[in-house]
Parts: sequence; C-alpha cells; structure tokens
Amino acid sequence: NAGVTQTPKFQVLKTGQSMTLQCAQDMNHNSMYWYRQDPGMGLRLIYYSASEGTTDKGEVPNGYNVSRLNKREFSLRLESAAPSQTSVYFCASSPTQGAGELFFGEGSRLTVL
Amino acid sequence: GQQVMQIPQYQHVQEGEDFTTYCNSSTTLSNIQWYKQRPGGHPVFLIQLVKSGEVKKQKRLTFQFGEAKKNSSLHITATQTTDVGTYFCAGRGTGGSYIPTFGRGTSLIVHP
Repeated sequence: NAGVTQTPKFQVLKTGQSMTLQCAQDMNHNSMYWYRQDPGMGLRLIYYSASEGTTDKGEVPNGYNVSRLNKREFSLRLESAAPSQTSVYFCASSPTQGAGELFFGEGSRLTVL
Repeated sequence: GQQVMQIPQYQHVQEGEDFTTYCNSSTTLSNIQWYKQRPGGHPVFLIQLVKSGEVKKQKRLTFQFGEAKKNSSLHITATQTTDVGTYFCAGRGTGGSYIPTFGRGTSLIVHP
C-alpha cells in the first residue's frame, strides 16, 4: 500500500520552462490537494479537488494549473516556471473534503533558475 | 478568509524540558488537526480534535481544543531528541469549503 506517490522528487528548471508534477493515491480518497511549502510560510494551498471532476483554486493558484485525471490522479502543471515557484510541493489526499486526515506524499523539490 | 496563526515559529529546548505550541483561528473551527514533519520529511497526521474543550493525550503529547473552538495547543512533556521537527495545526472552518487551513508551524529543536 503506497499511499500517496509523487513524481518527480527533484527537478531543476530554467525560467520559462514548463513541467508537470504527478500525484497518485491508492486509498480510494475523494479529495486531493496540492500545497507548496516555503521556509517560514507553512503549507499554502495551491489547488484542490473535492471529488473527481472538480477542481478549485486555493490560496496561491497563480502560475499553476491542475488536472484531476481520474479518482486516483491529480497533476499540477507549471506552464512557464518562475524563480518564485522554487519550493517544495506536496500532494495530499483525504477521504472527503470536509473530514478525515490528510495523507501527504513525500514531496517534490523544485528549483527554478 | 480563515486564518490560523501559530506561535512560536521556533523553539529551542534542552532535552527533558517541556514544549508548547499554540494555534489561534480568526473564526470558529469545526475541527482542528495536528501534524508533525520531521526534517526533510512530509507532514504526518497526529490527531484530530472536534469537541469544545476536548483534551487528548498520546504518551507525552497533550492536545487541547479551546472552549470557543478557536484555539488549540500541543504540549510535549519531557522532550526527547526524537521529538525534533515542525508541528503544524490545521483548522477546518464551519462554513464554506471545509478545506483545512494550516498554521505556519513551530519548529522544535531539542538539544541533547
């Protein structure tokens, strides 16, 4: 039982390049989330998907897009990376939006030069 | 929107000393959760509090939820080096999207 799997774990991009962070969960959870973590800033919500077929903006959505491909997978895309997007990105899932603990992936460390 | 403030940002303690981190929400919460993140790791769920005035214990860790359901605390008795990490609270509001809002975390450094 893998839980929440994120790929890649590390990535270096140049300004203006694009990339997609992949996330998959095998717990049959309805809700999935993307957070970014920066020093001293805690975990800030980028986008979330309450259930398959829906996505909504979180606190810091600018510069990102998401796709809920199916119930298992929720990807985060950077269309034109900027140095301000250098961060650690965490995907998480929970049984539902309004209840239950969040299960986090191991994180993806992204550096934009 | 809902805000969750967490203090202190950092706390240095000698091994064996106690540690407390506090969370305060700008709005009433339906529940609050606590997570621990070890250095280089990912957040891991510790506990959820739901009821007004609720107190829960996990070995040396004591979690409290305020009577007004707007504040919470985590207290560690007699810290150990294994307690090192960042502790986050995450509160769910009583209306709207029910998405957990995280505090900025308290980093605990334990000196042997």
